[in-house]
Amino acid sequence: EAQVTQNPRYLITVTGKKLTVTCSQNMNHEYMSWYRQDPGLGLRQIYYSMNVEVTDKGDVPEGYKVSRKEKRNFPLILESPSPNQTSLYFCASSLGNLGQGSNQPQHFGDGTRLSIL
Amino acid sequence: AQSVAQPEDQVNVAEGNPLTVKCTYSVSGNPYLFWYVQYPNRGLQFLLKYITGDNLVKGSYGFEAEFNKSQTSFHLKKPSALVSDSALYFCAVSVSGGSYIPTFGRGTSLIVHP
Repeated sequence: EAQVTQNPRYLITVTGKKLTVTCSQNMNHEYMSWYRQDPGLGLRQIYYSMNVEVTDKGDVPEGYKVSRKEKRNFPLILESPSPNQTSLYFCASSLGNLGQGSNQPQHFGDGTRLSIL
Repeated sequence: AQSVAQPEDQVNVAEGNPLTVKCTYSVSGNPYLFWYVQYPNRGLQFLLKYITGDNLVKGSYGFEAEFNKSQTSFHLKKPSALVSDSALYFCAVSVSGGSYIPTFGRGTSLIVHP
């Protein structure tokens, strides 16, 4: 089954304790991205990657890191989490490479709810 | 800069009645437009997209959307609503030949009453 898998689904942690949210897709998609969803703000993109070893900032990258060492995986790293990063996070992937533009729909994981105390 | 507006936080409709969820956009260039649906505790699911061609786009679960270039709108419609259509709906836009950063609207909660 084609899917985007995020782990963990829920996490409560404390300020300053490094954490990683994993994301894996099995559709051989080039493009992957991370979003956060906050009430009244919709989805905002944190980082995206157009292919292995190619990453770039989205609209709200501060406080986050990503890496893309393999095509299927795109982990989100919070080096020193703070309470304002409490949110619902989504990983997504889609077909697409340079020249195809951005006309492909995205496939989303089921989300990771992070609470940072 | 590109933007998307979903002017209604919530839409209420009776089961069996037609529904419309509104979306307007602003881009420099030709838009790619998408609708997604989000059920509780789930990620977004793709419903339909407009890339080019016919202004009326049909998608999953009986939904359709009409691209109106002069009004810069892409409203989501369904002729007969079901209670199971109750969910959060997001409109998104990106630009032909542009960056890979799509812009999402804030979402509209659709509530279908039995």
